[in-house]
Amino acid sequence: GAGVSQSPSNKVTEKGKDVELRCDPISGHTALYWYRQRLGQGLEFLIYFQGNSAPDKSGLPSDRFSAERTGESVSTLTIQRTQQEDSAVYLCASSSGQAQETQYFGPGTRLLVL
Amino acid sequence: AQSVAQPEDQVNVAEGNPLTVKCTYSVSGNPYLFWYVQYPNRGLQFLLKYITGDNLVKGSYGFEAEFNKSQTSFHLKKPSALVSDSALYFCAVRDIQRGYQLIWGAGTKLIIKP
Repeated sequence: GAGVSQSPSNKVTEKGKDVELRCDPISGHTALYWYRQRLGQGLEFLIYFQGNSAPDKSGLPSDRFSAERTGESVSTLTIQRTQQEDSAVYLCASSSGQAQETQYFGPGTRLLVL
Repeated sequence: AQSVAQPEDQVNVAEGNPLTVKCTYSVSGNPYLFWYVQYPNRGLQFLLKYITGDNLVKGSYGFEAEFNKSQTSFHLKKPSALVSDSALYFCAVRDIQRGYQLIWGAGTKLIIKP
């Protein structure tokens, strides 16, 4: 596609439920990033995928968070046993993988945990 | 430690006046510097970046930024502000010695008043 897409755009869930967020990167982009943005705050790095290398999971806030990526395409971010503090916008970005290259962002998934 | 500072939470400018959004950084090596804009309920859009070469970088929507190595700054500027420039602006830096990860500023809310 022309840009990064994410689904769903909005998700409301109850505390304790699991949620799965999806990201479709720009075709050909080998690098994929997940970020969390709490209301009125900056971006918090969660996880990074680059090609077939082991992902960098150093930003995941707890073991309730996990992410997968199939090859160089779709990625899913899963949050198990959601908590109210998980409420945020989850942003996905992709890039060509070169250090100087720009990250292009999707529109985000707005998650609300009740 | 690698860091990015956007010292102003909010900047108010009258339409037609020049605007500046400040960014300073701290990295151990040579930086790659980026500016992104976020409109309400939207993802981040790339504005411009500095990789190497000319210290004055021109980007989208009439914005430009000047890389100042001695002051470790990368301030975003525009000669004449538009009401439609009102948004949240993020500065980010990549330390090329540390690879791929972007370090993000907390963001500056720019308000352009008619």
